[in-house]
Amino acid sequence: DAGVTQSPTHLIKTRGQQVTLRCSPKSGHDTVSWYQQALGQGPQFIFQYYEEEERQRGNFPDRFSGHQFPNYSSELNVNALLLGDSALYLCASSLAGVNEQFFGPGTRLTVL
Amino acid sequence: QKEVEQDPGPLSVPEGAIVSLNCTYSNSAFQYFMWYRQYSRKGPELLMYTYSSGNKEDGRFTAQVDKSSKYISLFIRDSQPSDSATYLCAMSAFGSSNTGKLIFGQGTTLQVKP
Repeated sequence: DAGVTQSPTHLIKTRGQQVTLRCSPKSGHDTVSWYQQALGQGPQFIFQYYEEEERQRGNFPDRFSGHQFPNYSSELNVNALLLGDSALYLCASSLAGVNEQFFGPGTRLTVL
Repeated sequence: QKEVEQDPGPLSVPEGAIVSLNCTYSNSAFQYFMWYRQYSRKGPELLMYTYSSGNKEDGRFTAQVDKSSKYISLFIRDSQPSDSATYLCAMSAFGSSNTGKLIFGQGTTLQVKP
């Protein structure tokens, strides 16, 4: 049973660029949440997708956007990258109506 | 004030010790409480998941929730060097207006010395 997968593993970008991160949920899960984890901090909720719609959003600017596809996989897009966007980006999947969330290995984004 | 407070440590214990990790929170709407283990540069791994108050045991791990005190704990018995990691508490107020957004503590770094 494949767990949550994310790609790429690492990414280096420069300020002002745009980036797209990808996530495939655990088999059987239909809900995907994205989190940002700065070094030495706990993850912070960015948004959650269910039935291809953004269902809830955290305190992140509009530069952060996402998408969910019919097969439940998801993308996180960040525009106009800032140095402060450097972090580990985590995807978590769950089943609608069940609160247990399972995380992928993350994508480490470095903005220079 | 953060919604969830967790002492970042680091916490260093000898192998075989009982470890106690704790979090406090301010939002009385939290109903679901989780503990995750995160190894360096890896994603968090779900260890324990509890609803409302009470205790839950799984092998060497015991999770306790005291909603009246807004305080949760994770106990690790017979700690092993492989338990060395960062432990994150997380909680949510799951319901019709909240889809299960997790609020995390800062994480406590644990080192178990052989």
